[in-house]
Amino acid sequence: NAGVTQTPKFRVLKTGQSMTLLCAQDMNHEYMYWYRQDPGMGLRLIHYSVGEGTTAKGEVPDGYNVSRLKKQNFLLGLESAAPSQTSVYFCASSYSIWGANVLTFGAGSRLTVL
Amino acid sequence: AQSVSQHNHHVILSEAASLELGCNYSYGGTVNLFWYVQYPGQHLQLLLKYFSGDPLVKGIKGFEAEFIKSKFSFNLRKPSVQWSDTAEYFCAVLPSNFGNEKLTFGTGTRLTIIP
Repeated sequence: NAGVTQTPKFRVLKTGQSMTLLCAQDMNHEYMYWYRQDPGMGLRLIHYSVGEGTTAKGEVPDGYNVSRLKKQNFLLGLESAAPSQTSVYFCASSYSIWGANVLTFGAGSRLTVL
Repeated sequence: AQSVSQHNHHVILSEAASLELGCNYSYGGTVNLFWYVQYPGQHLQLLLKYFSGDPLVKGIKGFEAEFIKSKFSFNLRKPSVQWSDTAEYFCAVLPSNFGNEKLTFGTGTRLTIIP
């Protein structure tokens, strides 16, 4: 049981390039989340999804797009990368949206934008 | 909106020392509280959580946390740390009756244990 898997683990981009981070979970969780982690800022929610085909904005959604075409996958896209998007990105999933169902996290994806 | 403060950014201790990591939150209503841990090279995982009831919560690996409502605090403790406790620790708060999209994390405390 792999849990939550993120690919790639590391990526370096030039300003203006695009890329997609993939999150896959094998726990049949309904809810999925993308966070970014920056020094001194903690984890901040970018986008989340309450089910296949649905997405919603989190705290810091600007510059990102997401898609949930399949229940097990949640993609995070950067259409035109900027240095301010240099960060560590974490995907998470949960069985339910409610707090009683805690989050299961992936190992993180470190993105550097030059 | 709620917020979480972890005032200790980096804590260095020797093995067998006692640990207390501070966590304070700001929110006027009832809350659910969490401590997550991230070991080097691994994903974040739940250490312990408080929803209601006994304010002293016990988690995995000998960790415990005490919810003090009057102080808006949820400090993490361990009586005797081990080298394997080296990790980053995140406190998080979620207002009760809200979904996980309202979960707010603190900035994290990096704990280094010296053998």
